Amino acid sequence: GQQLNQSPQSMFIQEGEDVSMNCTSSSIFNTWLWYKQDPGEGPVLLIALYKAGELTSNGRLTAQFGITRKDSFLNISASIPSDVGIYFCAGRMDSNYQLIWGAGTKLIIKP
Amino acid sequence: DSGVTQTPKHLITATGQRVTLRCSPRSGDLSVYWYQQSLDQGLQFLIQYYNGEERAKGNILERFSAQQFPDLHSELNLSSLELGDSALYFCASSVSSSNQPQHFGDGTRLSIL
Repeated sequence: GQQLNQSPQSMFIQEGEDVSMNCTSSSIFNTWLWYKQDPGEGPVLLIALYKAGELTSNGRLTAQFGITRKDSFLNISASIPSDVGIYFCAGRMDSNYQLIWGAGTKLIIKP
Repeated sequence: DSGVTQTPKHLITATGQRVTLRCSPRSGDLSVYWYQQSLDQGLQFLIQYYNGEERAKGNILERFSAQQFPDLHSELNLSSLELGDSALYFCASSVSSSNQPQHFGDGTRLSIL
């Protein structure tokens, strides 16, 4: 089935550093969603993107809907300890309203 | 708080048994989705219901079934449980089937002994 390639798989960063992760697809998407999952909890929606080129911020988080409609990026500025968790991207194609999920990026902050 | 309620939070049972997981969607949401998440894995889509009817099926085993009731709550039934069924099971809901984000509950952690 359709796959989303989410990278990196995991990141070890220092507190205060900026973080970048992305998702790519071989198909064109009309929606990109970014979620964060804390240990033992359900994923929480961070940002929703609906138009190519759209750039949306949520506090220190910024996500972009790629111009080609085949990718999306999530950036976190000045990371803090509570940013630790797993970040998932999810997207939806024109031809199929089902969400397709990336495998997640695990963010770990080095003490 | 997402507004999606899942019960129970934890469930411990033995192989061969049957369990039922329950989900109440956010007020106003007509679609319910079930996902399985094994340890340190991604989200595996199982099944979706919209306004009481099955809308889409993912990687759901034949031993698993679900339904959505007239009050829009949903139940996921898992039978003939195996050790490999141990996982977090999440329910999510959305307003409709189309271009709306899904909002997740906190999950049911199922442990098979």
